[in-house]
Amino acid sequence: DIQMTQSPSSLSASVGDRVTITCRASQGISNYLAWYQQKPGKVPKLLIYAASTLQSGVPSRFSGSGSGTDFTLTISSLQPEDVATYYCQKYNSALRTFGQGTKVEIK
Amino acid sequence: EVQLVESGGGLVKPGGSLRLSCAASGFTFSSYSMNWVRQAPGKGLEWVSSISSSSSYIYYADSVKGRFTISRDNAKNSLYLQMNSLRAEDTAVYYCARDGMADRCSSTSCYGWFDPWGQGTLVTVSS
Repeated sequence: DIQMTQSPSSLSASVGDRVTITCRASQGISNYLAWYQQKPGKVPKLLIYAASTLQSGVPSRFSGSGSGTDFTLTISSLQPEDVATYYCQKYNSALRTFGQGTKVEIK
Repeated sequence: EVQLVESGGGLVKPGGSLRLSCAASGFTFSSYSMNWVRQAPGKGLEWVSSISSSSSYIYYADSVKGRFTISRDNAKNSLYLQMNSLRAEDTAVYYCARDGMADRCSSTSCYGWFDPWGQGTLVTVSS
């Protein structure tokens, strides 16, 4: 089975900072990669699919890139409402595995 | 508006059974593969099971294979998860989630992201 590894597990940044989260697949998955945001006590929400396609309604400060095994989620200017845990997910097979999550906090 | 509403969660003893339901509305249910995802308290997301639009293809995580059964009733716009032989480690919030695009499952794979998600239902396995 392909494993998804996110780094870092948590980060603390200031409002306005550029934040980058990495997701690495143990084998190539082309661009079959989605990113989700889960705010505290809330339901996960789709941010990005196909590695770089922004879901409708998601602020443009979020962006995704990568292909194959290495992917990144970038928040260009961190806002207080971005405090959440972010998960990557592969969907190139029936086993649609999630990464372990990256918790983003405000410094 | 697309809506998914789970029900059926609760407290059950180890070895017991529970059936979760997910009522769908606001979209053509019979065109989409559906999924169950769970989240143990304070932990990350774990994909549990998927079922294709016509129930032809069904997939399970190894952690639940042989104990859980996913099913759907397209006439009732409903998704189900029958959970048997429950263990303490099955304690979690269970979410149902729709595939992001229609008809993305085949005999060998599913190629969909999850969107949207229901609000979740809590299953607690404890004596």
